[in-house]
Amino acid sequence: EPEVTQTPSHQVTQMGQEVILRCVPISNHLYFYWYRQILGQKVEFLVSFYNNEISEKSEIFDDQFSVERPDGSNFTLKIRSTKLEDSAMYFCASNRGEKEKLFFGSGTQLSVL
Amino acid sequence: KQEVTQIPAALSVPEGENLVLNCSFTDSAIYNLQWFRQDPGKGLTSLLLIQSSQREQTSGRLNASLDKSSGRSTLYIAASQPGDSATYLCAVWGDKIIFGKGTRLHILP
Repeated sequence: EPEVTQTPSHQVTQMGQEVILRCVPISNHLYFYWYRQILGQKVEFLVSFYNNEISEKSEIFDDQFSVERPDGSNFTLKIRSTKLEDSAMYFCASNRGEKEKLFFGSGTQLSVL
Repeated sequence: KQEVTQIPAALSVPEGENLVLNCSFTDSAIYNLQWFRQDPGKGLTSLLLIQSSQREQTSGRLNASLDKSSGRSTLYIAASQPGDSATYLCAVWGDKIIFGKGTRLHILP
């Protein structure tokens, strides 16, 4: 069964550094998302992306965050200057239609020191 | 603002029992509701998606129901097995997809 792929599975970075989290959504999907989950807390929506632009973003997704679909397969989340509170599991997700079943990747655990 | 609550937060049951996990939401104007399973340190595995026009969905030993008017969904697991041990999350689709905090399920062998 096709799946959403995320790399790396773990990323450790120093506060203030830039990180790029990478995702390869399922190939025939059109809608892409980033979520995060701080340890012990709820999964939180960050941003949705469709037709090469952001369709919605949460208040968490401030100017330090950006997303890009640099080619036909990758979908990236960039955090420009990481803070301690950015430490979380980041999940990429995709679906074929906006109201269709959502498929998640296995996540990138980001640790900011 | 949509709020999603899952009760109980944790549940331990002996293997073989049938069990029900609950999800409630405050705003009934939803498109879908999706149940996920999350194993420790892992991603989310989709279990069942119920569209707002549907009352229930079934997959194997799992049955999910939706009552929009009362703001409730249940996930029924029949004949539980130790491999069912995980955290079960419900996600409600409105303007955004809002997750509950999950129910940690432990099936005792």
